[in-house]
Amino acid sequence: EVHLVESGGGLVKPGGSLRLSCATSGFTFNNAWMSWVRQAPGKGLEWVGHIKSKTDGGTTDYAAPVRGRFTISKDAAKNTVYLQMNSLKIEDTAVYYCTTDRRDFDYWGQGTLVTVSS
Amino acid sequence: DIQMTQSPSSLSASVGDRVTITCRASQSISTYLNWYQQRPGKAPKLLIYAASSLQSGVPSRFSGSGSGTEFTLTIGSLQPEDFATYYCQQSYSTLYTFGQGTKVEI
Repeated sequence: EVHLVESGGGLVKPGGSLRLSCATSGFTFNNAWMSWVRQAPGKGLEWVGHIKSKTDGGTTDYAAPVRGRFTISKDAAKNTVYLQMNSLKIEDTAVYYCTTDRRDFDYWGQGTLVTVSS
Repeated sequence: DIQMTQSPSSLSASVGDRVTITCRASQSISTYLNWYQQRPGKAPKLLIYAASSLQSGVPSRFSGSGSGTEFTLTIGSLQPEDFATYYCQQSYSTLYTFGQGTKVEI
């Protein structure tokens, strides 16, 4: 059974940094693309970015609002994907979900809340 | 980026109704279109992938159609558990984008 468990959310000041983790199990992590999707309070879903599998180059893509500030990485030994968020803005406040990515999002974690506020 | 526009933004329906939600893409996306259901306080759930393929475990009252720039999600006979928000998402470009959502209310 596939499990995705996010952690690392919390309260951070504007301009600050935070690293989210997503621990995974139940599938072949090395072959998987992984995405992060966020949802601001009361708003819709927004794709943040993804990391491709090593066989597909291991490269990353990011949505325009986070490009240059957010970085996604993977630790194959820990079956964990990370989202490093720098230069955080108030508008980054959201629940952040990690998902498996087959160009659709078939498995989701429960989400972790990030609040950016002074 | 490819823009996705859903209509309507919300709708009121009754149990047993047939419901159709439309999603339009700003350019042709072939059939790289997925649909999700999100209930309040829960993570989204994949319903339909590749425009018309039913995800495993999803009831057959859900169906998807379309290609190019216009797509529809149909719920054949609305059930109480189907009152939720529905999102489309394109994966033609690897810079994925979602529609703004359609809330299905009683």
